[in-house]
Amino acid sequence: DGGITQSPKYLFRKEGQNVTLSCEQNLNHDAMYWYRQDPGQGLRLIYYSQIVNDFQKGDIAEGYSVSREKKESFPLTVTSAQKNPTAFYLCASKGGSPGYTFGSGTRLTVV
Amino acid sequence: AQKVTQAQTEISVVEKEDVTLDCVYETRDTTYYLFWYKQPPSGELVFLIRRNSFDEQNEISGRYSWNFQKSTSSFNFTITASQVVDSAVYFCALSDLSTSGTYKYIFGTGTRLKVLA
Repeated sequence: DGGITQSPKYLFRKEGQNVTLSCEQNLNHDAMYWYRQDPGQGLRLIYYSQIVNDFQKGDIAEGYSVSREKKESFPLTVTSAQKNPTAFYLCASKGGSPGYTFGSGTRLTVV
Repeated sequence: AQKVTQAQTEISVVEKEDVTLDCVYETRDTTYYLFWYKQPPSGELVFLIRRNSFDEQNEISGRYSWNFQKSTSSFNFTITASQVVDSAVYFCALSDLSTSGTYKYIFGTGTRLKVLA
């Protein structure tokens, strides 16, 4: 079945450490997105990519970085510059129709 | 500017009651899409419905129904005869051609629905 796989499901980060969240899709979608979810704030866009080797900042890109070397993969790195990284992270992709397909998310906790 | 407002932060109902979740949106575009997603405790966003701005027909799907009214910029969602399994956070979202020229989602803050047995 086609879909989006995010890993790991749970991730713990120490202060000052960079961590990378994985997002892989086998839907042949061109566009991919990363969202951050905090309690009571809905989902906020971090980065998005419309095509391989190209990506744009979303509304809250500071402290994050991404790459899009392959169509199937859009990893998100949470850097030490992100002062409050504890959150739930959702990856999504979009094909020809306006709707998104979401992954099951990664819950990141700073310890 | 684009905006989606879900004024109800949390709603609690007793099983078998009907419940309506409100969604009000703002956009300057004439072409846009509206969505409802369900987020169960597992975290994944489950797609429920999509409506485009030119289709104001209301829709019923089983116990779910949606009322889209452009005149009031609202896209409300009703669950009839609620069940405990309906307990989740529900998000309304708007997708339009943002200033960047690409369709992006704007999410509301979500409504947490608790259905009590």
